[in-house]
Parts: sequence; C-alpha cells; structure tokens
Amino acid sequence: SQQGEEDPQALSIQEGENATMNCSYKTSINNLQWYRQNSGRGLVHLILIRSNEREKHSGRLRVTLDTSKKSSSLLITASRAADTASYFCATGSRLGAGGTSYGKLTFGQGTILTVHP
Amino acid sequence: DTEVTQTPKHLVMGMTNKKSLKCEQHMGHRAMYWYKQKAKKPPELMFVYSYEKLSINESVPSRFSPECPNSSLLNLHLHALQPEDSALYLCASSHLWGSDGYTFGSGTRLTVV
Repeated sequence: SQQGEEDPQALSIQEGENATMNCSYKTSINNLQWYRQNSGRGLVHLILIRSNEREKHSGRLRVTLDTSKKSSSLLITASRAADTASYFCATGSRLGAGGTSYGKLTFGQGTILTVHP
Repeated sequence: DTEVTQTPKHLVMGMTNKKSLKCEQHMGHRAMYWYKQKAKKPPELMFVYSYEKLSINESVPSRFSPECPNSSLLNLHLHALQPEDSALYLCASSHLWGSDGYTFGSGTRLTVV
C-alpha cells in the first residue's frame, strides 16, 4: 500500500518560477525522502529529512516536515527546463533490530513537473 | 563507485521462459531491494534483503524468486510470468535502514509477451 499522497498530481510552470509539491502520509516515520525520476528510468535521491527535523536545504531545494500534520513539502526555486521530471516523496521506516536493521521505503503517487523554457 | 548497476536494461520474454535480472553495487551497502513500477505509478516494494538474508517479501507471487548470493549482488529470477508483470524493475541499496537515502539503479524494462 502507498503511504504518501502527493499534490498536485501535475504542475506546469515557466522557467525561473518556483515549484512547490506537497506530500501527506499516514503512519509514523523515521525520515521522509524526495526522489526525482526522468522518463521512467531510475530514481535519483534528492534530499532526506529526519523525523526530528523541520526544514532542510540543499542547493535550490528546500524541504519541510510537519510530523504533527504528517505532511511535507518540497520547494524547487528558480526552476529550469532540466528540472522537468516526476517527483516522489517516500517515507522511510526502520525495521529489524540492532546492527541488522533494514529500511522500508514507501512511495507517494508522485507529481509530474513540467518546466517550460 | 557510487552506482547500482542493473542488467539487462531491456528484456522481452515469453510466458514460458526463465530469465534473471541482475543488480550489483560496490558501496558496501548491506541492504538491497527490488521494486516494481508500472507506467505512471509509483514504485512498489517487492523484496528486502539485509545482510544477504530475505527480510521482507511483500506477498510477491512465487514466479518471482529473489536471490542474494553475496553482499554486492542481487538477482531476481523470473519464471512463467504473465503479461501483467510487464513493468520497470528497480533495484536499490542502502546503508542498513536507509538513514542516508537509497541508491537506485536505472532499472530493467521487462515486457512479457
């Protein structure tokens, strides 16, 4: 089952504008991650925010996390045509015990971002 | 080496065929994952291996058989697949429980005819 729900499902903007995507989830998490996928190929890890963090920045990316509302947002500033892709939020859970813990990453439905030159 | 390598990139197989997908990483990650992604849908977890042991099987049909021969390799053996199994199969790896994020391969595009 999919944990995260994203909106909007699709976003179309002009180059230079900011893009904001939102994600909601249902259960407790260890972290929340954002990934980009170009043309149905592999996913690229963009940024991870831990459950005890509220905001994180990486280059043109800004992610926020509100655990009380079980929601996150990803802001891409000064967008470029090369940012055109599908963006997925994914909730990370820690399972297992001790040194052999493993993760479970559950994806949201994704947002298709189109940036027009 | 910071990549996950998947082979082949494309695979077309008949419903009576047996084939295998391969995944390799040399980042020292001890957790490896198989995901399945249908067109215009998010990836769905199939299997998780931790320290070469199967930790999660998300109720995947037995026609998909995972194998982790060592800490760098992950295979997915396919047998008697159905056309609805056509999808992008993604391999990923992480340090333990993914506290630093996951590294994904570029996937194998599988078509079952």
